[in-house]
This record gives sequence, C-alpha cells and structure tokens, in this order.
Amino acid sequence: AQSVTQLDSHVSVSEGTPVLLRCNYSSSYSPSLFWYVQHPNKGLQLLLKYTSAATLVKGINGFEAEFKKSETSFHLTKPSAHMSDAAEYFCVVSDAGNQFYFGTGTSLTVIP
Amino acid sequence: NAGVTQTPKFRILKIGQSMTLQCAQDMNHNYMYWYRQDPGMGLKLIYYSVGAGITDKGEVPNGYNVSRSTTEDFPLRLELAAPSQTSVYFCASSYSGQANSPLHFGNGTRLTVT
Repeated sequence: AQSVTQLDSHVSVSEGTPVLLRCNYSSSYSPSLFWYVQHPNKGLQLLLKYTSAATLVKGINGFEAEFKKSETSFHLTKPSAHMSDAAEYFCVVSDAGNQFYFGTGTSLTVIP
Repeated sequence: NAGVTQTPKFRILKIGQSMTLQCAQDMNHNYMYWYRQDPGMGLKLIYYSVGAGITDKGEVPNGYNVSRSTTEDFPLRLELAAPSQTSVYFCASSYSGQANSPLHFGNGTRLTVT
C-alpha cells in the first residue's frame, strides 16, 4: 500500500534563508513521487516529479527534491526563500495503477 | 490547449438542492479524478475514471455521482446537497501511457451549502 507523511504541517522561514519541507513515503513498488504547490485560492501546480533517472530532481522556481530510497524520503528544498514561495505544498506518491496518494500538506510562511 | 477546465468557479446551494460540477480536459488523458479539499485535510478522492464508460469510487463517494460518456468530460453530480459537502472541489486528469505521468488539475470549484 502507498502512503505519504509530510512531517511538518507548518514551516516558517525568513526571506532569503533555505527551505526544507519533509516528506516520507511508503510504497510497495518503485514509486513515482511528486511535489505540488497551491497558492491561496488557486489550483495545484506541479513543482517537480521523480522519474528514477536521477535522485536529485530539479523543479520550477528553484526548488529541488532528493529521492533517498534507504530513508524512503523525498524532501523538498530551496536555497533561498522568496516571499512568493508562501503557499501550501503537497507531497504525492502514485502507484502503477495511476492512483495518487496525497500528504496532508505543509503550509510555508515566508517572513520578510 | 486549455488543460483541465472546471465550471463554475463558485456556487452557493441550499440544503437539498442538486447541481453538477463540470470538468473537461483537452489533453486526451484517459484517467480523470474528482477530489475534495477541506481546510487542513489535504485532498480526498471522490470518484475516478480510467476511460470513457468506466468509473469507480474513491475514498469519499457518498452523496456524489459521476459519469464518463466521453474521454474529455467527467461531470460530478450532487443530488441532495448537505452542509458537509461544503468544500473546494478539484478535477484532475493523468495519462496512463507514460511512466510517472503527473496529475493535471483544474482551478477548482468552491461550493458552499447553507
């Protein structure tokens, strides 16, 4: 069975400092992993996806995520937070049957 | 290429009324999904479809119905609206023919039942 745990429901960082949003997954298969961002009153936008071609995945807006099979983790990082990064972030795992399993989300606050 | 289009964006219903949330995609995706999002609760799957004529229940199907007569359209029907159905509804699609195919989301429908 597939599942996702986002370890922090809220993260606050100062503008210009690094961002770390943590995600652990459970999967019976070689997983497909995604991060989505949702700005207030908006839909969900794909940030990046793990394709098994490389363990370090680069996404849009300077975000990256590293797949660590031994730790079953897929943490999202960004070297320097921007005010526009304030949003809700979802870690998602999918299985071979195109079923998607969502974490409960991490709300990122960026302090000026 | 509009992606996934949802209508309406906002709707207020009285208890017991019915309505249909529309969803259309122009990417020729075979999989389509309906999710609801409640504050602080993440997304919960209501129904999904693997292709025209095939639908299946998700985690929270009670009070909803769906149909999939074409590849493009996947409407969600609420027959007897209840306050518990106040939520934001998202339609999404994906393509099964490509490994790691992500979900593509519409912009959502914000529904209030009073």
